[in-house]
Amino acid sequence: QVQLQQSGAELAKPGSSVKISCKASGYTFTSYAMHWIKQTTGQALEWTGYIAPGSGGTKYNEKFKGKATLTVDKSSSTAYMQLSSLTPVDTAVYYCARALHGWSFDYWGQGVMVTVSS
Amino acid sequence: DTVLTQSPALAVSPGERVSISCRASEGVNSYMHWYQQKPGQQPKLLIYKASNLASGVPARFSGSGSGTDFTLTIDPVEADDTATYFCQQSWNDPTFGGGTKLELK
Repeated sequence: QVQLQQSGAELAKPGSSVKISCKASGYTFTSYAMHWIKQTTGQALEWTGYIAPGSGGTKYNEKFKGKATLTVDKSSSTAYMQLSSLTPVDTAVYYCARALHGWSFDYWGQGVMVTVSS
Repeated sequence: DTVLTQSPALAVSPGERVSISCRASEGVNSYMHWYQQKPGQQPKLLIYKASNLASGVPARFSGSGSGTDFTLTIDPVEADDTATYFCQQSWNDPTFGGGTKLELK
């Protein structure tokens, strides 16, 4: 069965970076785009960007350019998102999600809580 | 960005029919999708491309609409449907509605 297993919670200091992972299983990793979505405590959902694992091509929400960097390791079917120059505004749960059917998201990881605090 | 507007909350009794609306700030063709999210869980896809039932989702859920106005209908509502429901468009770069919290009376 399709699974997206994300890495554990992160506590980071302002100005630092974190790299969170999303390991895919149960399907051909390179056949589906992987998207990343931010959810703040108030529940708002924001699309961060996506990566095409086969080509490595990416597209970012303008708001997250310079903040998020998406990469993949095809050998381990794992997608990564690095968040840099962290501030408290980056505190949120970050999900990876597989895209299907016109960019609906049919499978989601369990989410990674990133907390930015001094 | 395409802004999606949802009413913040609804309360219904089990067995009733409920319609949750989502209005887009510009036309999104049929590229509207619906998710259910329960506390502490990731969102779950219910409906894709306006009216298509996602795999494994009960037929009590249905979707309709095109252009700027979309509706998710649950009929009949069950106790387990207590959750927040989000719409999401993908005609342009993806955006999400603010969510509608469904409570049961």
